[in-house]
Order: sequence, then C-alpha cells, then structure tokens
Amino acid sequence: ETGVTQTPRHLVMGMTNKKSLKCEQHLGHNAMYWYKQSAKKPLELMFVYNFKEQTENNSVPSRFSPECPNSSHLFLHLHTLQPEDSALYLCASSQNPRSDYNSPLHFGNGTRLTVT
Amino acid sequence: AQSVSQHNHHVILSEAASLELGCNYSYGGTVNLFWYVQYPGQHLQLLLKYFSGDPLVKGIKGFEAEFIKSKFSFNLRKPSVQWSDTAEYFCAVTIITGGYQKVTFGTGTKLQVIP
Repeated sequence: ETGVTQTPRHLVMGMTNKKSLKCEQHLGHNAMYWYKQSAKKPLELMFVYNFKEQTENNSVPSRFSPECPNSSHLFLHLHTLQPEDSALYLCASSQNPRSDYNSPLHFGNGTRLTVT
Repeated sequence: AQSVSQHNHHVILSEAASLELGCNYSYGGTVNLFWYVQYPGQHLQLLLKYFSGDPLVKGIKGFEAEFIKSKFSFNLRKPSVQWSDTAEYFCAVTIITGGYQKVTFGTGTKLQVIP
C-alpha cells in the first residue's frame, strides 16, 4: 500500500477516444504531480499542483488536460492521443514543495497506457 | 537547467557481489539528492536521501550512498547484493527554484541479480 492510488492500472485507447486517469492520495500531502515514464528516458514531469493550484506545466501538449478538485485527488484527461503517448503515467504526492524542501515524492503504481 | 546522468543502464551481478551505481548531476547550487527504487510490478519508493551533514548516508536494506560535492556525484553502493535487490534504481536531484523544489530524475539503472 503506497498511500497513492491510481486507476485504472492498464488502459488501451484509440486515438479518437477520450479517457481519464485518476489519482488519490491518503497521506495528507499538499502537492500532487503527474509524471510520464517511457523506456530509456528519465521520468518526465508533466504537471504540478500545490494546494489545488497548478504551479507547473512542463510544456505538455493540450491533448493532456489535468484537473485537481482538491488536495487529495488528481485527474489527467486524455483526448486525441498519439501512439507515442503510450507510456506509464505516474502520480506522486509530497508535502508543500514551497516550504518543505526536503520532502520526498510518494508514488502510485502508475497507469500503463497504450494508444492504438 | 539541471540534469542527472546514470551511466549504467543495465547491470547484471551474481548474489553476494558488491554493487556501485553511478549518479552524476549538473547544477552549481545547493541540491538535495535521492535514490528511488522500483521493484518489479511495484511503485517507485524512496531508498535513501541526502540533505546535509554526513555525506555518507545509509538507507533501507543495507544500501548506502556517498555525496561527493567536488565530483557532483551521489553513487549508490551495497557490499553484497541479494536476488531480492533485482529492481530499477533511479537517482534524483532537487533544487529550489522560484520558491519551489524541482525534481529531476535520471534515466534509471536496471539491476538484475542472478542467484
């Protein structure tokens, strides 16, 4: 049990589909993150939310749309994706990155996304 | 911008062999350093971290890492590996920029321990 739960674990979608990834953290953290993990590449930070406010968008294409209704929940809405978007999408949480600079990230198990 | 290099992408060792995984970063300011581990089918989890003080830090499961500031390195070591150490290991560096901590990961090193 990681304290960070991601659903679904696996997702296969066509390029014209619309789907959403969900993340929930039970750790009382203030910040939540979306990362993309592709083979042979460093983890790529996509979005950061701190106290529900988006603080970073790392030049992510608009076909990825995040939503953070509260500090415990984070969504990633997907539409008109490309095959190269196939990857493992990881959610993470941490204490307030603005005041707790030493806070490590706590990761979920990820959603394995395949775009056909 | 800071970057993190892990030079070994895939390491294969026999049980009881010693392990050292390299991690170098590029950033001239103050950094916090982490090693994360991802066991097969499991989530990324923290192995150890360095913020300040003794540059030799000890983590879980007998792992340790040494911060050498002059070499911009934070290599991970274990004197004797076990089959259960088979996993992917990620080095990460955080800096403070714009009032926030920013985390940069390396590409990861896959460790395979042969019984």
